[in-house]
Amino acid sequence: AQKVTQAQTEISVVEKEDVTLDCVYETRDTTYYLFWYKQPPSGELVFLIRRNSFDEQNEISGRYSWNFQKSTSSFNFTITASQVVDSAVYFCALSEAGDNYGQNFVFGPGTRLSVLP
Amino acid sequence: GAVVSQHPSRVICKSGTSVKIECRSLDFQATTMFWYRQFPKQSLMLMATSNEGSKATYEQGVEKDKFLINHASLTLSTLTVTSAHPEDSSFYICSATNIGGGSGNTIYFGEGSWLTVV
Repeated sequence: AQKVTQAQTEISVVEKEDVTLDCVYETRDTTYYLFWYKQPPSGELVFLIRRNSFDEQNEISGRYSWNFQKSTSSFNFTITASQVVDSAVYFCALSEAGDNYGQNFVFGPGTRLSVLP
Repeated sequence: GAVVSQHPSRVICKSGTSVKIECRSLDFQATTMFWYRQFPKQSLMLMATSNEGSKATYEQGVEKDKFLINHASLTLSTLTVTSAHPEDSSFYICSATNIGGGSGNTIYFGEGSWLTVV
């Protein structure tokens, strides 16, 4: 069965600091997708990234970067020069490929990030 | 703009009444929609998978008679919480994938609905 672990329940940083949110996953499938979502206090899920299991290239998007390492089953997310607006709960999620794409969409427990001014 | 819309975004109902939440795909036909529930400070948990024209598939521990799901068209799925109780107060969010969904298809989430049962 698939599983997503986010060991950090809450993180507090001061504005402009860099912060890395950890995500470790478990799956028996060789084809799967990994996601990061941001959930601000309003509740909606803001899509950040999707990465398939065959693409281990790290990705950078502005202040955001992701490090995908299959060898350690990790998909960590780094925010550089954090800002107060980055304060939110961040979820890592896993979806296994197959006919029911999405049915096996499993979320991690989330990491609550607080960026202090 | 949003491609999956939920309504209402917030609802307060009295204990014992039923409340319906709608999930609409705006720009695509959704063969499959998913309903999640999120209790305060917890993660999202899949409640059920809704396939157009057929009965929903519920996750273990989710009461199908309490959480009625209807997916009558390719753009609309509804979740009805029947005989709501305060413990049903939660954030409900739907997601949808487009027709022909298979590996690699994008999933879109609705904005979510806050339900408070008083």
